[in-house]
Amino acid sequence: ETGVTQTPRHLVMGMTNKKSLKCEQHLGHNAMYWYKQSAKKPLELMFVYSLEERVENNSVPSRFSPECPNSSHLFLHLHTLQPEDSALYLCASSHGLAGPSYEQYFGPGTRLTVT
Amino acid sequence: LAKTTQPISMDSYEGQEVNITCSHNNIATNDYITWYQQFPSQGPRFIIQGYKTKVTNEVASLFIPADRKSSTLSLPRVSLSDTAVYYCLVGESNTGNQFYFGTGTSLTVIP
Repeated sequence: ETGVTQTPRHLVMGMTNKKSLKCEQHLGHNAMYWYKQSAKKPLELMFVYSLEERVENNSVPSRFSPECPNSSHLFLHLHTLQPEDSALYLCASSHGLAGPSYEQYFGPGTRLTVT
Repeated sequence: LAKTTQPISMDSYEGQEVNITCSHNNIATNDYITWYQQFPSQGPRFIIQGYKTKVTNEVASLFIPADRKSSTLSLPRVSLSDTAVYYCLVGESNTGNQFYFGTGTSLTVIP
């Protein structure tokens, strides 16, 4: 469907677990993003990477830890999550430097459930 | 940071033209206006982007008045497959600028 893939598509984890979400883009883009979408809430921008450098943190709790080893891959490491962290986690990428004026290509998302 | 306000929901019959308006009173000089479409359990998809006046592509038109404090997404002759949430996004291209998707408008197309 798009050039942005996310794995896994579904994840159930306990509050004491450690897991990682993976995002990969095959579009040659320079910027990548992590969003959180809770039920009936707007998209929340969590992290932005531009040319592999983190740009925005947006006061995300430290139990979420991003990693961008190269411009094609983005990870979100999760540990000691809370039930309210259950949500759809979306990855996106864009050409050029990070910013809303660049068209963002979204992945299908990872549906995370914290038990 | 230019935040946006949209109607929460809209209904329309198949074949009608649908206009969704977004208010962005604090839009900055360098801000662009971008619209995305999102189906359930999928990531948003880019529809159209503009800076001023009118922009048209194969799926929609975007009308922006001179003061740029609002914008209107126009979907011609909607079909059932246009049922989705539509987001208005305002911001500029500078690295490090925050941007805000807003609550979006849930459009339901009725047969």
